[in-house]
Amino acid sequence: GDSVTQMEGPVTLSEEAFLTINCTYTATGYPSLFWYVQYPGEGLQLLLKATKADDKGSNKGFEATYRKETTSFHLEKGSVQVSDSAVYFCALSFGNEKLTFGTGTRLTIIP
Amino acid sequence: EPEVTQTPSHQVTQMGQEVILRCVPISNHLYFYWYRQILGQKVEFLVSFYNNEISEKSEIFDDQFSVERPDGSNFTLKIRSTKLEDSAMYFCASRTTRGSEKLFFGSGTQLSVL
Repeated sequence: GDSVTQMEGPVTLSEEAFLTINCTYTATGYPSLFWYVQYPGEGLQLLLKATKADDKGSNKGFEATYRKETTSFHLEKGSVQVSDSAVYFCALSFGNEKLTFGTGTRLTIIP
Repeated sequence: EPEVTQTPSHQVTQMGQEVILRCVPISNHLYFYWYRQILGQKVEFLVSFYNNEISEKSEIFDDQFSVERPDGSNFTLKIRSTKLEDSAMYFCASRTTRGSEKLFFGSGTQLSVL
């Protein structure tokens, strides 16, 4: 079945460091890909998405590019802030139906 | 921004007891979901619900689970006889239409079965 594998956490970085969280997927067909973020005490929120190959999703300085050839959707940010500390989830879906998630990666940014 | 509200935030129960997890979706939303995450594992889909009936459910969602929208505002997940392995964070979610990409999640209920 469909699955998402994302980088094991936790990840700890200093403020202004470059961030990459890896995500790869296995699916039959071409799903939509998502990154969700969960800040402490809050629900999961959609961070960015891409619906077809070579699309780049971006939001709040984060970016991810849908790579069909490597079945990947890695999350990147050039300069992280303390406020980016959260748990990040990669996910896929077909036709905006149920989401298939990865395990989540806890990110901690230290000043 | 509107929110999905889940109560309680933490629930502790004894094995074999019934629990009801409560969610108040956003008021104009029509599609409702439950997901769960066992500690250290992936967030898993449990069930989707539309027009007062289940539209899809996973293998996890067996006869011990049920969902209900009793009064047009609440959306509940009931586990009839809890097992140790039901311990997890349970997330409720809702969206306006089937085609809407934006899924709104609650902050979760941490269920601990002792």
